[in-house]
Amino acid sequence: QVQLVQSGAEVKKPGSSVKVSCKASGGTFTNFAITWVRQAPGQGLEWMGGIIPIFGPGNYAQKFQGRVTITADESTHTAYMELSSLRSEDTAVYYCATVTYGRAIGTWWFDPWGQGTLVTVSS
Amino acid sequence: DIQLTQSPSSLSASVGDRVTITCRASQSISSHLNWYQQKPGKAPQLLIYAASSLQTGVPSRFSGTGSGTDFTLTISSLQPEDFATYYCQQSYSIPMSTFGQGTKLEIK
Repeated sequence: QVQLVQSGAEVKKPGSSVKVSCKASGGTFTNFAITWVRQAPGQGLEWMGGIIPIFGPGNYAQKFQGRVTITADESTHTAYMELSSLRSEDTAVYYCATVTYGRAIGTWWFDPWGQGTLVTVSS
Repeated sequence: DIQLTQSPSSLSASVGDRVTITCRASQSISSHLNWYQQKPGKAPQLLIYAASSLQTGVPSRFSGTGSGTDFTLTISSLQPEDFATYYCQQSYSIPMSTFGQGTKLEIK
């Protein structure tokens, strides 16, 4: 049973960067595919981007293009999400999730999820 | 980008009620639609994948239907632990994706 454990809460200044980690354990990792989703206080889920090996390097939502970098180290089963030029609107809980492919039915879903990492941007 | 619109945005219901939540896609996404449940302070959990397949361990009172642009999540008989927020998510455009805005299910 795969489990994802994320790094701890962060407090950052506007204009700085944050790097959140997501370590997978407890399963087999033939393809280490991870997505990142954030949730601002009281708001819904917002897909940021992900890394799926068969699609090459990270893919990002247009809103975050140029500010987010998602990487993965398959040797340690750890993924990273780095967000730069932080502003107060980036205050949110950031989640990682495994991107699972169901070969029998030819589709993808996000499961399991990490516990979330609160990033607070404040001067 | 594919947009997902959920309705209603919020819903009040009682234990034992039958509840239906709708998710509409801005273009056809075949059956590439997943549903998640999120409780306050917790990470989302997968309920249904590929529009109608129940994730292991999810109670059978949850069901999903639809294909193309219109999808529904139904809870046949609400239980106290079902009061939560529900999100749809499309995987048609993987590696890209989007979520619906969520439906908050509250106790009447």
